[in-house]
Amino acid sequence: EAGVAQSPRYKIIEKRQSVAFWCNPISGHATLYWYQQILGQGPKLLIQFQNNGVVDDSQLPKDRFSAERLKGVDSTLKIQPAKLEDSAVYLCASSLEGGVGHGYTFGSGTRLTVV
Amino acid sequence: ELKVEQNPLFLSMQEGKNYTIYCNYSTTSDRLYWYRQDPGKSLESLFVLLSNGAVKQEGRLMASLDTKARLSTLHITAAVHDLSATYFCAPGSSNTGKLIFGQGTTLQVKP
Repeated sequence: EAGVAQSPRYKIIEKRQSVAFWCNPISGHATLYWYQQILGQGPKLLIQFQNNGVVDDSQLPKDRFSAERLKGVDSTLKIQPAKLEDSAVYLCASSLEGGVGHGYTFGSGTRLTVV
Repeated sequence: ELKVEQNPLFLSMQEGKNYTIYCNYSTTSDRLYWYRQDPGKSLESLFVLLSNGAVKQEGRLMASLDTKARLSTLHITAAVHDLSATYFCAPGSSNTGKLIFGQGTTLQVKP
């Protein structure tokens, strides 16, 4: 089966600019996650979708970050305006409902550098 | 809120030696995952542990889970250089589907 697709792979922007990341989960996976991984740290959950509804966005900095999952398939994560501390790898993952078994699959990530 | 602590955070060891990575978590979880991450790469699933006392082995790696102690271990037997990577534990919940990661343990195996 195809994996979780993310684009772009790399992005360099200046602070205060905006940026968007795209994720296409594994077909049939109802749950989609966005994680932020700062260099040297573990991934931090930003937002979790179940189909097209938000389950948990308690760690999402809502003043600058937004995410949507229209039609319950693809998802986009946006940052506007970006800050230096947003430099990180943004990982998308998808799972069968509840992460049954080995159901969590991660994409290759988007590496964002804010200068 | 669930907190996850791994130790050690960095481990340098000689080939052929044994060692254990510990993962403690603060609240009840009904499953625990171990992932491997190579530099610049994404996360590769190693093990999922679904019940108290669960033990799984793959090659030189063995993972175990004690849900009462809220502790999981990843044991490395006779380490080889190819095991050099960062290892993450992540307790999860079948109720919420949420997966929370530890800080990671960077393993460096020297010839």
